[in-house]
Amino acid sequence: NAGVTQTPKFQVLKTGQSMTLQCAQDMNHNSMYWYRQDPGMGLRLIYYSASEGTTDKGEVPNGYNVSRLNKREFSLRLESAAPSQTSVYFCATNRNGEETQYFGPGTRLLVL
Amino acid sequence: GESVGLHLPTLSVQEGDNSIINCAYSNSASDYFIWYKQESGKGPQFIIDIRSNMDKRQGQRVTVLLNKTVKHLSLQIAATQPGDSAVYFCAENWKDSSYKLIFGSGTRLLVRP
Repeated sequence: NAGVTQTPKFQVLKTGQSMTLQCAQDMNHNSMYWYRQDPGMGLRLIYYSASEGTTDKGEVPNGYNVSRLNKREFSLRLESAAPSQTSVYFCATNRNGEETQYFGPGTRLLVL
Repeated sequence: GESVGLHLPTLSVQEGDNSIINCAYSNSASDYFIWYKQESGKGPQFIIDIRSNMDKRQGQRVTVLLNKTVKHLSLQIAATQPGDSAVYFCAENWKDSSYKLIFGSGTRLLVRP
């Protein structure tokens, strides 16, 4: 039981490049979330998915797209990376009706 | 390891002492609060939670206190150990149509041996 897994662990991109961050969970949870974490700031919600087939914007969605591929997987895509997107990205999940979220280990992204 | 926050408030305590980490929340309508621990290079890890109909909840070596009057939350760690060194975040549930958590900026706890 791996919980929440994220790939890759680290990534360096040049400005304008695209990439997809992957998240998978084996906890059979309905809801999944993408956050970014910047120095001196708390986690900020980018997008979330309350269930398979649905996605909604969070606090900072600009520059990102998401896909809820199935119940297990929720991906985050940067179509044209910018240096302002340098951050640590965390995926989280929870059961419907419960607030406690469980986090993955994070993806550290550097955009040059 | 990864720097979670370069300008976080820091609490330094002696090993074996008790630690108190404070958090002010913003929404008086929030009805659920949670504390996370984040070690360097890792994702946040659930510690303890509390609902707004309670003012205290205890776990193993940890206690969360909630003061709704002044919108204040605290995490008490008894007999602090070196393994408790981490960044601690509080989060509140802004109760709307979805279960979204709003996170504070965090406090770094350093345990001196």
